[in-house]
Order: sequence, then C-alpha cells, then structure tokens
Amino acid sequence: EADIYQTPRYLVIGTGKKITLECSQTMGHDKMYWYQQDPGMELHLIHYSYGVNSTEKGDLSSESTVSRIRTEHFPLTLESARPSHTSQYLCASSQAGTDYGYTFGSGTRLTVV
Amino acid sequence: QQQVKQSPQSLIVQKGGISIINCAYENTAFDYFPWYQQFPGKGPALLIAIRPDVSEKKEGRFTISFNKSAKQFSLHIMDSQPGDSATYFCAVRKGAQKLVFGQGTRLTINP
Repeated sequence: EADIYQTPRYLVIGTGKKITLECSQTMGHDKMYWYQQDPGMELHLIHYSYGVNSTEKGDLSSESTVSRIRTEHFPLTLESARPSHTSQYLCASSQAGTDYGYTFGSGTRLTVV
Repeated sequence: QQQVKQSPQSLIVQKGGISIINCAYENTAFDYFPWYQQFPGKGPALLIAIRPDVSEKKEGRFTISFNKSAKQFSLHIMDSQPGDSATYFCAVRKGAQKLVFGQGTRLTINP
C-alpha cells in the first residue's frame, strides 16, 4: 500500500543532542515537505524538496537541516536540540501535475527536555 | 502577509447541525482550493477540493462553496456527526507551486 512513514512517532531527548527524524514514502512522489505544528494549530512549512539533491527553506525559519539523496527519503536533522524545538513535525509528499494534493505522515512528536 | 485567512478559529456545533468554515484569499491567480481534515495524533488528510471554474462541489455530507468574485470559499458539513470533530484546514495553490494553508479551525460536534 502506498503511504508515507515517519519514525519515530514520539521522541523525548535531552538538550544538546543531535536527532534525525525519518520520513519515507512509497508513492514515487517527487515533491516532499516538512511542517512544524503545535497540536491542532497552524502548519508551518520549514523545508521542502522538489526532487533529488534539491532542498529549500520554507516560510518558518528553522535550525534544522534536510537532505534528499533518494526520491523516497527526506530526513530532517537537528544538530543540537533545544526545548524551543519541542513540537510536532509532519512530513508530506505530492506529485507534480496532479490534484491529489499532499499526503501527510502521522508525524513525530518531539519533546526536548 | 497572510495569503489565506480562515475563520472561525474554533466552532462548536450540535449533532445533526450544519458546520460552516470560511476562507478568504487575496491572489486571483490561485487555481486550486482543497480542504484538509486532521484528527488528533494524525497528519492532515485531503477531504475535498475545487477548481475555480465551478461554484460548488459536493461529496457526501461535505460541500465546498466557491465565490470567485468575493475571493472566498467555504466548507459546509451537513448533518454534522461527533466523528467529524477534527481540525480543518483550507489551502490555496497557484499552478505547480506549494500549497498555502489557512490557520485551521477546531471543530467540535456535541452529541
């Protein structure tokens, strides 16, 4: 079944640790996105990619970085986690030229203590 | 500058009633207007979408009404059910560009 997977679902980590949030999709979508969202609140785009080796910063400034080495994989990395990074991170993908919209993962709930 | 403004921020409706959520946009070049539904602990999921060449689209109990001259579109949920309780996001898009999401509406349907 085509889908988009995010791991881990929940993560509690100490300040200063390096973390990588994983996102993989099996639909062959060329476009992928990372959003930051406090529960039930606005979606803030922090990174996006239109294809392999293409990454751009989103509308919300973020200290995270991303990479897109394979079409299906779009990991997000925080080099040094801080309590202000506590949030939910949602990954999404879409295919150019279609009206199927975005397919979102279930998110990673990050807590930095 | 917000490209799309969504209202209300929260909404409480009795079971069986009609839920109405509104969005207003500025750019007349937008050509795709979807609505997303998000349940707690899940990512948003596409609910229904419309193109500007039609004024209304209905899928089951969900209807999008589109007013091109007013630059507004709305989601109507008929016969609202407790299972419809979720956060709803409108969005707009121009061509192949990224979606721009509204601020979200937290809908609660009381039994």
